[in-house]
Amino acid sequence: EAGVAQSPRYKIIEKRQSVAFWCNPISGHATLYWYQQILGQGPKLLIQFQNNGVVDDSQLPKDRFSAERLKGVDSTLKIQPAKLEDSAVYLCASSLVMAGVMNTEAFFGQGTRLTVV
Amino acid sequence: AQRVTQPEKLLSVFKGAPVELKCNYSYSGSPELFWYVQYSRQRLQLLLRHISRESIKGFTADLNKGETSFHLKKPFAQEEDSAMYYCALRGIETSYDKVIFGPGTSLSVIP
Repeated sequence: EAGVAQSPRYKIIEKRQSVAFWCNPISGHATLYWYQQILGQGPKLLIQFQNNGVVDDSQLPKDRFSAERLKGVDSTLKIQPAKLEDSAVYLCASSLVMAGVMNTEAFFGQGTRLTVV
Repeated sequence: AQRVTQPEKLLSVFKGAPVELKCNYSYSGSPELFWYVQYSRQRLQLLLRHISRESIKGFTADLNKGETSFHLKKPFAQEEDSAMYYCALRGIETSYDKVIFGPGTSLSVIP
């Protein structure tokens, strides 16, 4: 099956500029995740969608980050305005996971490496 | 609250030696535990999950609920095992299922 697609692969912007990332999950996957991975750290969950609804955005810096999932399929993550500390790899993942169902996994995209200068 | 810890940031072993990557978690309910691996220049991918009780690429991991651990083991390390390893946890009691990751351990197998 086709994997999770993300674009762009790399992005360099100046602080205070805006940036957007795009993710196309695996077809049929209801759950979509955006993770932020700062160099040397594990992925940190920013936001989780179930179909087109947000189920967890507790760690999303909502003053500058926003995300949407159009028609329960593709998703975009935006940062406006960017700060130096936003430099990281942004990972999108999707899964078939549903509440109470065991034995599922998250499939990851290759990520977008953002550098804020 | 869900939390995953991996005490070793870096681990170096010689080829052929046993390897153990430690993972501890905190979660009040019944967790589902995973090990994910990221090889150089590749995407993060699932290595194994506790519920399957499988051995993948010679790696095994046993969930110890008493010690809240899910350590990853392999009896004889190979050079191709060099990678970043992340332990992850998913809780299934809530109406949605959040997957959180530990900070990762970088495994280096010395030829």
